[in-house]
Amino acid sequence: DTAVSQTPKYLVTQMGNDKSIKCEQNLGHDTMYWYKQDSKKFLKIMFSYNNKELIINETVPNRFSPKSPDKAHLNLHINSLELGDSAVYFCASSRIQGVGELFFGEGSRLTVL
Amino acid sequence: KQEVTQIPAALSVPEGENLVLNCSFTDSAIYNLQWFRQDPGKGLTSLLLIQSSQREQTSGRLNASLDKSSGRSTLYIAASQPGDSATYLCAVCEGNKLVFGAGTILRVKS
Repeated sequence: DTAVSQTPKYLVTQMGNDKSIKCEQNLGHDTMYWYKQDSKKFLKIMFSYNNKELIINETVPNRFSPKSPDKAHLNLHINSLELGDSAVYFCASSRIQGVGELFFGEGSRLTVL
Repeated sequence: KQEVTQIPAALSVPEGENLVLNCSFTDSAIYNLQWFRQDPGKGLTSLLLIQSSQREQTSGRLNASLDKSSGRSTLYIAASQPGDSATYLCAVCEGNKLVFGAGTILRVKS
């Protein structure tokens, strides 16, 4: 049973479109995250939610809007996609906010044409 | 601003060798340090987590050390195997987030 699952795994779309990536964790964790891994493989945090409440918003354009309907789900919606949004987006969760071990999903590779 | 550096960027070794991966960070005010493994096209798998009050952690053939005052951590892999080939990422936890290094790409040749 997958602990942190993301869909879709691959997403190819045109500039200007709006798209969403979904994430679910079945670990009973309180905190969930979105990370972005760019072409140079650097992983940077985008958002963190603790019990459905936004904790971290790291200088991300407001075209990116996370939504947490409950503490097991954290979705990422992106409006007006740009070429520079092409990356792999990773969802993660931890039991304790910030200081616990992180469990990652397998990533969603977004390609904007 | 916290910066995490990993050396070397890439490493190729014959099977059976012991090896050391290095990680350094600029701000010693961290909660913990974590080592991850990333296989191509996959997510990250947590290998070891060292709390700021600890000096080392061991799991099987892996041993990670932490010297918070000097801003350094090492990941020691004993008797390397081809299955160890992957990218190894170091991340420090400050506040509510992890700050990652760029990783070391390890190739173990059979």
